[in-house]
Amino acid sequence: KNEVEQSPQNLTAQEGEFITINCSYSVGISALHWLQQHPGGGIVSLFMLSSGKKKHGRLIATINIQEKHSSLHITASHPRDSAVYICALSGGSNYKLTFGKGTLLTVNP
Amino acid sequence: DTAVSQTPKYLVTQMGNDKSIKCEQNLGHDTMYWYKQDSKKFLKIMFSYNNKELIINETVPNRFSPKSPDKAHLNLHINSLELGDSAVYFCASSQGLFRYEQYFGPGTRLTVT
Repeated sequence: KNEVEQSPQNLTAQEGEFITINCSYSVGISALHWLQQHPGGGIVSLFMLSSGKKKHGRLIATINIQEKHSSLHITASHPRDSAVYICALSGGSNYKLTFGKGTLLTVNP
Repeated sequence: DTAVSQTPKYLVTQMGNDKSIKCEQNLGHDTMYWYKQDSKKFLKIMFSYNNKELIINETVPNRFSPKSPDKAHLNLHINSLELGDSAVYFCASSQGLFRYEQYFGPGTRLTVT
């Protein structure tokens, strides 16, 4: 079993829809990162969480440490949100960073 | 003014050659990383340096050797290139080890023929 699992693998939505991407993990962590990678290839850090909830514009990230689960929400989705969203964990004292396989989001106009 | 820059952006070379990829950050960060993204788009950490000291070396063949001449630079040297080394290599930096937001470079697409 992978240490970090993302779902869904692929997600297609219509413009304006509310999007949720999930990340579950099985190890102790010090922080969880959400990254965005556009088709052009660049990677951008969206959030880093160790507890609770963070909001930036239309993006909201939550984490439940007890349940080992995080969600990334996109409100009022737009075609420019089309990208791969990657969950990554930084764990404990060994500083290891482990990546999920990513969720490919396509938002149609 | 680019925060994390990598050169070159594209690198095409033949098997057996030796090549280098350079990374520079102007954010004043203490920590820098190299990641490899394979053909299936899966990211994996290769190395991490903190204050010029190697912190993480994730089961990478010793043909790969990182070098950090100062905190702003982390270069990646690859000897005796193999077909399986073809991938996109990303450099990143952060204020500290992993509990801080990471800033990624644009990536270097390496193709070994």
